[in-house]
Amino acid sequence: IQLTQSPSSLSASVGDRVTITCRASQGTNTYLAWYQQKPGQAPKLLIYAASTLQSGVPSRFSGSGSGTDFTLTISSLQAEDFATYYCQQLGSYPLTFGGGTKVEIK
Amino acid sequence: QLHLQESGPGLVKPSETLSLICTVSGGSITSNTSFWGWIRQPPGKGLEWIGTVNYGGATYYNRSLGSRVTISIDTSKIQFSLKLTSVTAADTAIYYCARRMTGPGGWFDSWGRGILVTVSS
Repeated sequence: IQLTQSPSSLSASVGDRVTITCRASQGTNTYLAWYQQKPGQAPKLLIYAASTLQSGVPSRFSGSGSGTDFTLTISSLQAEDFATYYCQQLGSYPLTFGGGTKVEIK
Repeated sequence: QLHLQESGPGLVKPSETLSLICTVSGGSITSNTSFWGWIRQPPGKGLEWIGTVNYGGATYYNRSLGSRVTISIDTSKIQFSLKLTSVTAADTAIYYCARRMTGPGGWFDSWGRGILVTVSS
């Protein structure tokens, strides 16, 4: 299953609402996760099962979708949220990742 | 809290075998709620799932790597390992080990810091 993320990059300001989309080439139920990766760090799990917030992740992050279309939303962007975000489908092998969305400071 | 740590050579010659170990602490490697996996990331690029093993030794591999990859688990040492044979420059990447939760759509919730492996003569 191929995952297409859009946009590949975006510029935003602190306080902005940011939406990243992930489209799957085949349906993957709700077997989708979102990760945040900062430079020099390992990916960090934000959302699993498409919409469940991982423990300890701020509530400004939310996920939605099922089947082939998914969304990650940051309701009010904070300085520490500037990073690259990846979606991953976990419904069938091989497990695959989207190409990433880099969120930069405007 | 679960902690994973990758170890192994940072430099491998072309055509040789890349061998990495992931040591798990703060949790049980024999838990039936966990799979253990490897993911890699070429410098400046995206993430690629390599494969996963469970505590019983059952494995799942990314077929894009063909028969070059072997993942195994040593429960007595609380470690699991990755071997990738016949490496080329295209295998240069940061290699991460991670825990995958079992069950449909299980996600990767704990990751090691990663280890950069460069393939070069």
